[in-house]
Amino acid sequence: GNSVTQMEGPVTLSEEAFLTINCTYTATGYPSLFWYVQYPGEGLQLLLKATKADDKGSNKGFEATYRKETTSFHLEKGSVQVSDSAVYFCALRSETSGSRLTFGEGTQLTVNP
Amino acid sequence: GAVVSQHPSWVICKSGTSVKIECRSLDFQATTMFWYRQFPKQSLMLMATSNEGSKATYEQGVEKDKFLINHASLTLSTLTVTSAHPEDSSFYICSARWQRSYEQYFGPGTRLTVT
Repeated sequence: GNSVTQMEGPVTLSEEAFLTINCTYTATGYPSLFWYVQYPGEGLQLLLKATKADDKGSNKGFEATYRKETTSFHLEKGSVQVSDSAVYFCALRSETSGSRLTFGEGTQLTVNP
Repeated sequence: GAVVSQHPSWVICKSGTSVKIECRSLDFQATTMFWYRQFPKQSLMLMATSNEGSKATYEQGVEKDKFLINHASLTLSTLTVTSAHPEDSSFYICSARWQRSYEQYFGPGTRLTVT
């Protein structure tokens, strides 16, 4: 079956530090990959996505590259801000699952000033 | 962009009562809506998938008689937690998609506390 594994949190960084949140997946075929962000007390917002191998999704300074060879989709940001503090979810949608999403466990990020 | 709203954003109810949560797609016709449950500091657990005009499909382990889902129109789905108990306290999130897209658009969530 499909699965998504994220690095364990919580992650605590100082402002302007470099961020990496690892995400690896297991799926048949060529899934679409997503990063969602959840701010405290809110629902999920799509942060970025990639639909095929070697695609790079980017938004708000965040980037992630779809690596088929390593089945990974790591989230990176060069300089985090306090406002980036949130929970980040990696997710996939497989070719055979229609619109159904499989989520990772989520990684709590706290950025201190 | 596609907007999904939920109402109420938070609700407190007494044990044994029922509570209804609404999920609305504000600017598109949602042929499919999803209901998720999220426990504190955990990931989202898909509870059920509902298609407009048909019965919802529940995930294994989700009690369909306890969590009643109705998707009567293309812009509204409701989740009713019947005979709520404290263990039903959770954050409930809906999402919606339209026919020609696989993308899901998420609502802001509803915090349910059962006392």
